Amino acid sequence: EAAVTQSPRSKVAVTGGKVTLSCHQTNNHDYMYWYRQDTGHGLRLIHYSYVADSTEKGDIPDGYKASRPSQENFSLILELASLSQTAVYFCASSGRGQDTQYFGPGTRLLVL
Amino acid sequence: QQKVQQSPESLSVPEGGMASFNCTSSDRNFQYFWWYRQHSGEGPKALMSIFSDGDKKEGRFTAHLNKASLHVSLHIRDSQPSDSALYFCAARETGNTRKLIFGLGTTLQVQP
Repeated sequence: EAAVTQSPRSKVAVTGGKVTLSCHQTNNHDYMYWYRQDTGHGLRLIHYSYVADSTEKGDIPDGYKASRPSQENFSLILELASLSQTAVYFCASSGRGQDTQYFGPGTRLLVL
Repeated sequence: QQKVQQSPESLSVPEGGMASFNCTSSDRNFQYFWWYRQHSGEGPKALMSIFSDGDKKEGRFTAHLNKASLHVSLHIRDSQPSDSALYFCAARETGNTRKLIFGLGTTLQVQP
């Protein structure tokens, strides 16, 4: 099964600070995604990427940047963290020929 | 309006019983569906996909899709306590997009 890892697993950040969440996959998948999960909103797509060095905006990109420096790595960057960005963040990947997305274990972010 | 709607919000069944979940899309462009399961503290994990009208069975899990009514269901027979989790329906549009739209989920509790 696809292996997707995330770091850190949890983080406390201060309002206005910079936060970087990292994702690594070892399955040679082309597609990678960042979601956030909030009670009452389910999973919502923030950014995604089809290929290294290219990212696309998802459904809720405001306040977030993404970086795909290699096929295996995909980062989510909060330049100025805000209270409303407290959530659990999930990274996922999928292959070119299949559509099933494989999720990482998540990062729990608390912005104070 | 939520494009993928799930019901019920929560469900409790006895061990060995049948658990049934419903999902309806409001967008006829959604033609591909997945069911995901998320245990507490973990990332979502794909259970099964269904792209064609009719039933698809994998072990204790059966999915049913009716494209005309944009309705997809999931049934778990012989439910086990380990099936207790949050179940998501996810949909993808036809075409090249890889974006998934998730419902808000149904919480299942299997009573021993």
